[in-house]
Amino acid sequence: QVQLVQSGAEVKKPGSSVTVSCKGSGGTLRRYAIAWVRQAPGQGLEWMGVIIPILQSLDYAPKFKHRVTISTDDSATTAYMELSSLRPEDTGVYYCARAGSGDSSGFYVAWGQGTLVTVSS
Amino acid sequence: DIVMTQSPESLTVSLGERATINCKSSQSIFYNSNSRNYLAWYQQKPGQPPKLLIYWASTRESGVPDRFSGSGSGTDFTLTITSLQAEDVAVYYCQQYYSAPYSFGQGTKLEIK
Repeated sequence: QVQLVQSGAEVKKPGSSVTVSCKGSGGTLRRYAIAWVRQAPGQGLEWMGVIIPILQSLDYAPKFKHRVTISTDDSATTAYMELSSLRPEDTGVYYCARAGSGDSSGFYVAWGQGTLVTVSS
Repeated sequence: DIVMTQSPESLTVSLGERATINCKSSQSIFYNSNSRNYLAWYQQKPGQPPKLLIYWASTRESGVPDRFSGSGSGTDFTLTITSLQAEDVAVYYCQQYYSAPYSFGQGTKLEIK
């Protein structure tokens, strides 16, 4: 089974961008749906968007649509989430999560360890 | 967008007793063509990522103890934990994957009395 390993914590200035990576250990992510989920401090889970590499499919939550870019590398071993125009309220833990394929592409069977992004001047 | 609403926001239950968490969707998440409800439940302990417990509203993920069960259809769903154990202290989330954005409920914090 493909497990997910995320990049380390980031501290960013307001207005800048951050890129968080999510590497599949044990195989390619190509046939899976890979989602990004945010959790602000002490708050709940917020779905940001999803990529399905084998279908070249992308979908973003309207709230993030103009600021987030989700992608994978050519081999689909690593997924990326870039969030631009950062604000202090973007501070939180960002998770990547892996779903199954086909009809099972909406629920998440494996999660990365999370990446803390702190936005502060 | 589909809004998921959980109740209660927090719950205190004695060890060995039953815990019940409700989740309501703003529209039906039942797909007639395959007779499935597009609803999942997750458990999140402090400092950890969420863990999948239940999918298709009532299918238990491999390795999840059978004291966890899911039920419901259409817009109303329930996660039941029978015989509560100390390790079940966590926040529980429901999630719909019927249509994007795949929204989560706000979470229910479960504590031991």
